[in-house]
Amino acid sequence: ETGVTQTPRHLVMGMTNKKSLKCEQHLGHNAMYWYKQSAKKPLELMFVYSLEERVENNSVPSRFSPECPNSSHLFLHLHTLQPEDSALYLCASSQDSRVADQFFGPGTRLTVL
Amino acid sequence: LAKTTQPISMDSYEGQEVNITCSHNNIATNDYITWYQQFPSQGPRFIIQGYKTKVTNEVASLFIPADRKSSTLSLPRVSLSDTAVYYCLVVNTGRRALTFGSGTRLQVQP
Repeated sequence: ETGVTQTPRHLVMGMTNKKSLKCEQHLGHNAMYWYKQSAKKPLELMFVYSLEERVENNSVPSRFSPECPNSSHLFLHLHTLQPEDSALYLCASSQDSRVADQFFGPGTRLTVL
Repeated sequence: LAKTTQPISMDSYEGQEVNITCSHNNIATNDYITWYQQFPSQGPRFIIQGYKTKVTNEVASLFIPADRKSSTLSLPRVSLSDTAVYYCLVVNTGRRALTFGSGTRLQVQP
């Protein structure tokens, strides 16, 4: 499916690097989400954007900084990450922020050395 | 927030019907039952959602008894490609977030 795309698909970075994850949705949705999926842990919601406004921040450390310049694009800026931040980062979108039918992207597999 | 409990894993063979049951004892009136499927290294995919009784689509059926304290996802005639993790979620229409549990890892054997 190409409804929600994420780049890069894989990323290896050092703890002092700064990188950004990109998500784009082609579905005309108004809400976008970042989730984190660590090994052997359930998916954890990180951020929710509705109509480009951040409406939920799930106690995420400040080394993760989201940006939503328009309703089709969502970024996750990363800086001074820790090895425990290594995970699959998933972007999702939905028609609005109060529906259960979310469309997920393929994810970015992040490894922090 | 309604907690869900489902088996950690299940095994099946190609062509069999698979039923995955989820319990959600403290489900609220405004909650819907939703199932997602996730293949390795991919994002979850919405399968089906229901409120009560039975819902069927081209992929699966969802059975919900009158008390709504449990639900059963039924996959007819599974194939190897149905090997995945299946998540049962209770979703409140007033909330923004999906809360995923550990899911049920279904392994389909030839």
